[in-house]
Amino acid sequence: DVKVTQSSRYLVKRTGEKVFLECVQDMDHENMFWYRQDPGLGLRLIYFSYDVKMKEKGDIPEGYSVSREKKERFSLILESASTNQTSMYLCASSSQPQVYGYTFGSGTRLTVV
Amino acid sequence: DQQVKQNSPSLSVQEGRISILNCDYTNSMFDYFLWYKKYPAEGPTFLISISSIKDKNEDGRFTVFLNKSAKHLSLHIVPSQPGDSAVYFCAARWEGGKLIFGQGTELSVKP
Repeated sequence: DVKVTQSSRYLVKRTGEKVFLECVQDMDHENMFWYRQDPGLGLRLIYFSYDVKMKEKGDIPEGYSVSREKKERFSLILESASTNQTSMYLCASSSQPQVYGYTFGSGTRLTVV
Repeated sequence: DQQVKQNSPSLSVQEGRISILNCDYTNSMFDYFLWYKKYPAEGPTFLISISSIKDKNEDGRFTVFLNKSAKHLSLHIVPSQPGDSAVYFCAARWEGGKLIFGQGTELSVKP
């Protein structure tokens, strides 16, 4: 089974802190994605990457950056955490062709206080 | 602008009856549609998909119907079971494989 592992299930950070969310997949997938899930808004794409060192902005990239130094690891960075970034963050990966969509991690519930 | 919409935030169904979850989309360039199921504190898991060239796909108790002229798809679960209680997201695929998700519908199946 494909595994997508997110390093933390729950995280509490202070406003203004720099926050790193880590995601690792073990199936040699080319594509990796970061979403956030908020009630009534569904899953919104923050950033994605189709290859190492490559990144593309999704629909809501403001306040975030990403890093993909190795194929299996995709990190989401909150440069200066704010309370409106309190959310569930979901990492996903997929291979080409993507007939079956993504495999998601279990999510990180981030609270910014 | 929301390209994939699930207009019902919640649905309650009796065990054994049919659950019908609906999804509307605006972009005719989507080539695949998928349904994901999500339990609390877990990531979404893939449930069933349909190509834009088909109008129906069935997998056990789950059937997805696609009406391209109406830009509408639906997920039917028959018979519904309490373990089906979860949030269901529909998603549409385009532009090199990106998935656009709807807002989700929370299904509650009562015994």
